Amino acid sequence: DQQVKQNSPSLSVQEGRISILNCDYTNSMFDYFLWYKKYPAEGPTFLISISSIKDKNEDGRFTVFLNKSAKHLSLHIVPSQPGDSAVYFCAASAHDMRFGAGTRLTVKP
Amino acid sequence: DSGVTQTPKHLITATGQRVTLRCSPRSGDLSVYWYQQSLDQGLQFLIQYYNGEERAKGNILERFSAQQFPDLHSELNLSSLELGDSALYFCASSVGDQNSPLHFGNGTRLTVT
Repeated sequence: DQQVKQNSPSLSVQEGRISILNCDYTNSMFDYFLWYKKYPAEGPTFLISISSIKDKNEDGRFTVFLNKSAKHLSLHIVPSQPGDSAVYFCAASAHDMRFGAGTRLTVKP
Repeated sequence: DSGVTQTPKHLITATGQRVTLRCSPRSGDLSVYWYQQSLDQGLQFLIQYYNGEERAKGNILERFSAQQFPDLHSELNLSSLELGDSALYFCASSVGDQNSPLHFGNGTRLTVT
């Protein structure tokens, strides 16, 4: 049951440009959304989150946007840096936390 | 370092066998989650415990079971193993609030041959 979907398996961006990672969800009960970042051979690490009562949350170079009517959220990274190259997971929380399949971001120098 | 410890890091076993994966949560965290990541798949939620009791169940097979002990460490038991059970198994912990970010261990890579 894919309640959280990340339809782009990979994304390649030039250093200094904006990276936009997208996520869709199907369960209207989700009320909290998170993004995690994963490097090889490590577990995912928390990056940024947003409550369903907000439509935007910003933390430095990272901004998450939530469109509840479209059941869509996105993560913007600007400017992108080579160290941002990783797999990014979208997650949504209701009674438990469900994850998307991940998007592999490559930032080219 | 997330503070979550998973052992072993790697496990190779044969079909039909039984294995136990262990997780020690971050100090102070009461909730433990188990996730399975198969090749090119996302993190599939298996089960969650809070302070020793099962709180939520996901796509966990009947051949799999888990528990959280009084000292809050958790074990995931996988039995009658099949080739398709080969995956990365992640444990994560949180303070327990359903919206609290999860802190993940580095995973146990299980290979069933």
